[in-house]
Amino acid sequence: NAGVMQNPRHLVRRRGQEARLRCSPVKGHSHVYWYRQLPEEGLKFMVYLQKENIIDESGMPKERFSAEFPKEGPSILRIQQVVRGDSAAYFCASSPGLGGYTFGSGTRLTVV
Amino acid sequence: DQQVKQNSPSLSVQEGRISILNCDYTNSMFDYFLWYKKYPAEGPTFLISISSIKDKNEDGRFTVFLNKSAKHLSLHIVPSQPGDSAVYFCAATGGTTDSWGKLQFGAGTQVVVTP
Repeated sequence: NAGVMQNPRHLVRRRGQEARLRCSPVKGHSHVYWYRQLPEEGLKFMVYLQKENIIDESGMPKERFSAEFPKEGPSILRIQQVVRGDSAAYFCASSPGLGGYTFGSGTRLTVV
Repeated sequence: DQQVKQNSPSLSVQEGRISILNCDYTNSMFDYFLWYKKYPAEGPTFLISISSIKDKNEDGRFTVFLNKSAKHLSLHIVPSQPGDSAVYFCAATGGTTDSWGKLQFGAGTQVVVTP
């Protein structure tokens, strides 16, 4: 029973490019969450998704950021036209419902 | 708007002694609290949790205490071991059903256990 799988582990993008971060939840988990951790800070909630639905995106910037969790396949966090301030560790977590969150190892995005 | 606060960025403790990590929150709607441990370049790992209907939960060397009136919780680790050296995050959730799963994290406390 694999845990939450995130890929890539490290991603380097030039300013203006697009970044796509993937998250495969624990098998059987239908709830996915994305968090961002800036250097020297705690994790900040970005978005909460269930299959094909965005439940809460209150923590996600209104522009350039989008997330999806399709019926089939991993959840995708997409950042368009990346800027240096997007450099951070992005963590995905999944749960079967209330509680029981499992985090992935994160994707470290560096914008150069 | 930092609703969960860990005011001690670091803590150094001798091996075998007790580590006490503190966490304060401001949102009275929070009803479930969790502690996570994080090593560098890894994701947070769940340690222990507590529901607001309890004031104490114990699991092996880890005990979490909740004081709802003070909006304060603490994590006790006893005895501390070198492998406990990590960043510890306090997290809270609660409120509306749809956002129940959204965790609010503190900034973390770096624990260093010395021989």
